[in-house]
Amino acid sequence: EAGVTQFPSHSVIEKGQTVTLRCDPISGHDNLYWYRRVMGKEIKFLLHFVKESKQDESGMPNNRFLAERTGGTYSTLKVQPAELEDSGVYFCASSQVPRLVINEQFFGPGTRLTVL
Amino acid sequence: QKEVEQDPGPLSVPEGAIVSLNCTYSNSAFQYFMWYRQYSRKGPELLMYTYSSGNKEDGRFTAQVDKSSKYISLFIRDSQPSDSATYLCAMSAYKNYGGSQGNLIFGKGTKLSVKP
Repeated sequence: EAGVTQFPSHSVIEKGQTVTLRCDPISGHDNLYWYRRVMGKEIKFLLHFVKESKQDESGMPNNRFLAERTGGTYSTLKVQPAELEDSGVYFCASSQVPRLVINEQFFGPGTRLTVL
Repeated sequence: QKEVEQDPGPLSVPEGAIVSLNCTYSNSAFQYFMWYRQYSRKGPELLMYTYSSGNKEDGRFTAQVDKSSKYISLFIRDSQPSDSATYLCAMSAYKNYGGSQGNLIFGKGTKLSVKP
């Protein structure tokens, strides 16, 4: 079974440009999460989709960030316009509706975004 | 005060040593406690989880939660060079929608190096 995949693995853009990150969750996983790790800081939650609906977007830093999950499959995270402080590693995770106590989130390898 | 505190290390031990990794937290609502392992250029992968207080053992790994002290630990016995990675603690309060545990609150991670 394929894991969570993310594209691109690395993106270098200039301040003011637009970047779109893509996440393909594990097939059949209704829950999809975006997280971000800024250098020297902890991984922080951005938002959570259940199928195509945004369940919790409390972690989105500002309105320059737009996440979509059309059809409840893959998701995109667009940053427009990008700022220097947006640099970091963006992780996507997915999970099934849990049958056990815990809802295990499976993480992708991340997209390393560098804004110059 | 950060919700989750974790010493980032780095921590270097000889092969065969017992490793102790710890996190403290401030939010008494946390009920799910997890340890993730992250190898370089990879996403975090769930290593162990505990619900509420107590101990859990899985092979060479033991997770402990002390809710009264708001303190969690991961012990690695007979450490191996293949255990060299960053270990992240993560926690969540139960959220009653779709049975999901909701988003995760991470510590910064402790970088562990096990020398042959």
